[in-house]
Amino acid sequence: SAVISQKPSRDICQRGTSLTIQCQVDSQVTMMFWYRQQPGQSLTLIATANQGSEATYESGFVIDKFPISRPNLTFSTLTVSNMSPEDSSIYLCSAQSDSVTNGYTFGSGTRLTVV
Amino acid sequence: AQKITQTQPGMFVQEKEAVTLDCTYDTSDQSYGLFWYKQPSSGEMIFLIYQGSYDEQNATEGRYSLNFQKARKSANLVISASQLGDSAMYFCAMREGLQGGKLIFGQGTELSVKP
Repeated sequence: SAVISQKPSRDICQRGTSLTIQCQVDSQVTMMFWYRQQPGQSLTLIATANQGSEATYESGFVIDKFPISRPNLTFSTLTVSNMSPEDSSIYLCSAQSDSVTNGYTFGSGTRLTVV
Repeated sequence: AQKITQTQPGMFVQEKEAVTLDCTYDTSDQSYGLFWYKQPSSGEMIFLIYQGSYDEQNATEGRYSLNFQKARKSANLVISASQLGDSAMYFCAMREGLQGGKLIFGQGTELSVKP
């Protein structure tokens, strides 16, 4: 199954700044997904990233705040813009890894703290 | 819109006993997939088991089985012979459609295995 390398693993950022999170997949995948997991909570989908087209955002998430790039079938970035302490969360990327088992693989997550 | 509900915030089980984690879902689609993931304290997301909406047999993977009751829209995870290493958060998730697509997660159940 696919393996995703996500970085950075953690960061502490000043409010008002931006952070870009990168995910590299070791095989080509059609769709990649970005999630936010607030402390003690479940995973909330931010957006679906398709190669060659704009990302599709879920309700409550907007492109200006969370711009996403998907330049090829193995790579995607999520930027958290103009950060506030409320953006402190774990951010995870995901991709469907195996069409037989239908499992999705996840990156190891980025733990973001905004001060 | 699809929705996943896990009503057990926390569960305790004695080592070597079986435990059932509840999951109900709501969708208007006839074709969908149901997933269970484990998230230990390290934060990684571990795929456990998958059930397609047209699968007539309950899915099994080692000590994990999925009790799929389509008419009741439930997809409970059964863990047999619990081990201390099973202590973690468990998330039920659903994808509308049987091919690629986004996963929507339930709130999660924190399982604690007692020695």
